[in-house]
Amino acid sequence: NAGVTQTPKFQVLKTGQSMTLQCAQDMNHEYMSWYRQDPGMGLRLIHYSVGAGITDQGEVPNGYNVSRSTTEDFPLRLLSAAPSQTSVYFCASSYSNRGYEQYFGPGTRLTVT
Amino acid sequence: GESVGLHLPTLSVQEGDNSIINCAYSNSASDYFIWYKQESGKGPQFIIDIRSNMDKRQGQRVTVLLNKTVKHLSLQIAATQPGDSAVYFCAESGGTYKYIFGTGTRLKVLA
Repeated sequence: NAGVTQTPKFQVLKTGQSMTLQCAQDMNHEYMSWYRQDPGMGLRLIHYSVGAGITDQGEVPNGYNVSRSTTEDFPLRLLSAAPSQTSVYFCASSYSNRGYEQYFGPGTRLTVT
Repeated sequence: GESVGLHLPTLSVQEGDNSIINCAYSNSASDYFIWYKQESGKGPQFIIDIRSNMDKRQGQRVTVLLNKTVKHLSLQIAATQPGDSAVYFCAESGGTYKYIFGTGTRLKVLA
């Protein structure tokens, strides 16, 4: 099993550009989520999904879109990048919302200039 | 990555000693807690979890203690090794998929 994979590892965008961060898992997990990690702050939930076709907002959803057409994939779209979106983004998946650890991907470091 | 840990408190421990990392959680309604380890440039890695109906849980070389009275969680690492050097943070959940993550503590193991 590859676990949770994320692409790209690094990305530089100009303000106003759009892009999609890819996330895939091969563990048949129902739950997937996107977090951002900023200096001096804990991980913050952007969006999450409890199964194919079902998504919901987390703590900081503005400026991001998600969709979940398959169990395996959960892409995160930045609609119009802003410098405030400079961060490290982690995708995670888990079997359940309770009692089971989340598996995190290696992260995507995004810089918006 | 390294830039994420710029402002973190640091715990320096001699190799072979025990480490204790603390976490104050925020929500008295939280009933599930997790400790994560994050090495530089990598995603967080699950270490151990505990439910609120327990006050102690042991894993391999790690023990988590939960004090609900003062909303405090601790992670004890026995016989700390160089490979334990990382950022450690806790997460809490109150019955939903939405976790609240702490900012973390950097553990440095001195040879």
